Amino acid sequence: QQQVKQSPQSLIVQKGGISIINCAYENTAFDYFPWYQQFPGKGPALLIAIRPDVSEKKEGRFTISFNKSAKQFSLHIMDSQPGDSATYFCAASMGGATNKLIFGTGTLLAVQP
Amino acid sequence: DTAVSQTPKYLVTQMGNDKSIKCEQNLGHDTMYWYKQDSKKFLKIMFSYNNKELIINETVPNRFSPKSPDKAHLNLHINSLELGDSAVYFCASSPQTLTGAEAFFGQGTRLTVV
Repeated sequence: QQQVKQSPQSLIVQKGGISIINCAYENTAFDYFPWYQQFPGKGPALLIAIRPDVSEKKEGRFTISFNKSAKQFSLHIMDSQPGDSATYFCAASMGGATNKLIFGTGTLLAVQP
Repeated sequence: DTAVSQTPKYLVTQMGNDKSIKCEQNLGHDTMYWYKQDSKKFLKIMFSYNNKELIINETVPNRFSPKSPDKAHLNLHINSLELGDSAVYFCASSPQTLTGAEAFFGQGTRLTVV
């Protein structure tokens, strides 16, 4: 029940295209759904996050769509750029003392120029 | 002005040795973590500390012993290193909140056991 499933494992997109990464969760106690971006040799860094009372959140070219009834959420990267090439992780957590992040398995995105 | 810093960045050692990784955060957060990223890039939590107290131990072998001297520091000591311990270890911190919150990660320590 603690799992977060992520797909696809890898994604190749042309410059200017839309990148879409999907995640699904099981535990309805999760109340925070972040997306992290990781470049080689670096730690994961928060990209954008959403809470379950909102169905969509947009920050620049990055949008999270959230479907509470289906227990699914997705990341859309509009106008994908070569600089977006990285590994993307969805995650889920709940608050309190055990504010641990449960990560998806990651998606390696390559944006071709 | 690094928010979460860990040292060393790289660590190469022989099987059976004991090693430590240090972590410090200057964000004033109450909670600190150790995560392990394996060769397939899967990130999994190992430990969570809240105000120097151990909150989570995710069935990590007792060869791994975290120590938190104060709430800004969380070190990881590993005894009798094994080949399977080779991974990237990330320290992270977050504020303690009633709902989930952002975790800030260090740059990682790549541990290679030979």
